[in-house]
Amino acid sequence: NAGVTQTPKFQVLKTGQSMTLQCAQDMNHEYMSWYRQDPGMGLRLIHYSVGAGITDQGEVPNGYNVSRSTTEDFPLRLLSAAPSQTSVYFCASRPGPTNYGYTFGSGTRLTVV
Amino acid sequence: DAKTTQPPSMDCAEGRAANLPCNHSTISGNEYVYWYRQIHSQGPQYIIHGLKNNETNEMASLIITEDRKSSTLILPHATLRDTAVYYCIAFGSGNTGKLIFGQGTTLQVKP
Repeated sequence: NAGVTQTPKFQVLKTGQSMTLQCAQDMNHEYMSWYRQDPGMGLRLIHYSVGAGITDQGEVPNGYNVSRSTTEDFPLRLLSAAPSQTSVYFCASRPGPTNYGYTFGSGTRLTVV
Repeated sequence: DAKTTQPPSMDCAEGRAANLPCNHSTISGNEYVYWYRQIHSQGPQYIIHGLKNNETNEMASLIITEDRKSSTLILPHATLRDTAVYYCIAFGSGNTGKLIFGQGTTLQVKP
């Protein structure tokens, strides 16, 4: 098992550009989430999903879109990048409404200039 | 999910036990106490969780008070690699998946 795989690991965008951060897990986990972590700050939930076709907003959803067409993949789309979206983005997954912890990916470090 | 309160920072001597407290006085009956840690800028790592019984695994022990209003994460022999931010989260078993992190406790293990 590869666990939770995030690509790319690093990305530099210009203001106004769009891009998709990829997240894939091979553990057949139902639940998946996206977090952002600004320098020196805590983790904030952007969007989450409890299964294919089901997504919901977290604490800071503005400027981001998600979809969940398969169990394995949960991409995060930045519609029009802004410098305020410079952050480290973490994806996480969990088996479902069971008593297991989330498994996190290693993160994507995004800089918007 | 219930709010948790943790001290912002703690120090521990290498080789000694690190005891990290967490207050969750409003926890409800179906909420588990979960602990995660984040080492430097890595992705958070699940450590342990429990409902009302004490739990132990290869990483740590979790002691939950009988009234479930507080808990303590114990790292029995802290090493320098345990320096991290530790998060205590109350999370319901039927939760929709909306896991919210607080500020956590920064544990500094010193030689």
